[in-house]
Amino acid sequence: GAVVSQHPSWVICKSGTSVKIECRSLDFQATTMFWYRQFPKQSLMLMATSNEGSKATYEQGVEKDKFLINHASLTLSTLTVTSAHPEDSSFYICSASRETGELFFGEGSRLTVL
Amino acid sequence: GENVEQHPSTLSVQEGDSAVIKCTYSDSASNYFPWYKQELGKGPQLIIDIRSNVGEKKDQRIAVTLNKTAKHFSLHITETQPEDSAVYFCAASMGNFNKFYFGSGTKLNVKP
Repeated sequence: GAVVSQHPSWVICKSGTSVKIECRSLDFQATTMFWYRQFPKQSLMLMATSNEGSKATYEQGVEKDKFLINHASLTLSTLTVTSAHPEDSSFYICSASRETGELFFGEGSRLTVL
Repeated sequence: GENVEQHPSTLSVQEGDSAVIKCTYSDSASNYFPWYKQELGKGPQLIIDIRSNVGEKKDQRIAVTLNKTAKHFSLHITETQPEDSAVYFCAASMGNFNKFYFGSGTKLNVKP
């Protein structure tokens, strides 16, 4: 299957700092990428849809100023958690949609805010 | 919007037995139905998918069936092995870079 790389796989930061997570599609161009948040033993919660060259579309209840998404190229999208707080600690997963319709996920990033 | 329901939430089987996970969807416009396997601490991995113009698809020990009339699709795993133990998610999409709607997940435990 196609490869989507996500980095870092885990990060620990202090409360009030910002953290950037990168998502790259390594072997295909991804016009659309999605960012999810996953709580323990729960399903994937869609945060936003990221389209190359345009503003992200956020799901209801997701603060766009808290979770900044940039999709600067067809192979890279970034999620920046600004002024992180302990309640932002979670598992964040990106995914990229191929033109044939399949959706491939990154390995996930475990964020712990102290 | 689309609503995907998945059952059961947990499933325990003996190694070598078959496992079946079922999902239903609500929007007849959905036309692409993937299944993902997620191991602890990792991102979901696409294991098989089916499109609305096909009723069944098989890949070695795994198969997926789709009933468009009833709006349900199922994942079948035969000859289960301990390494099949994971959380499985179904999803539905209308294609064309539209959103994917996920089921709530099934934790499969294959006992040796």
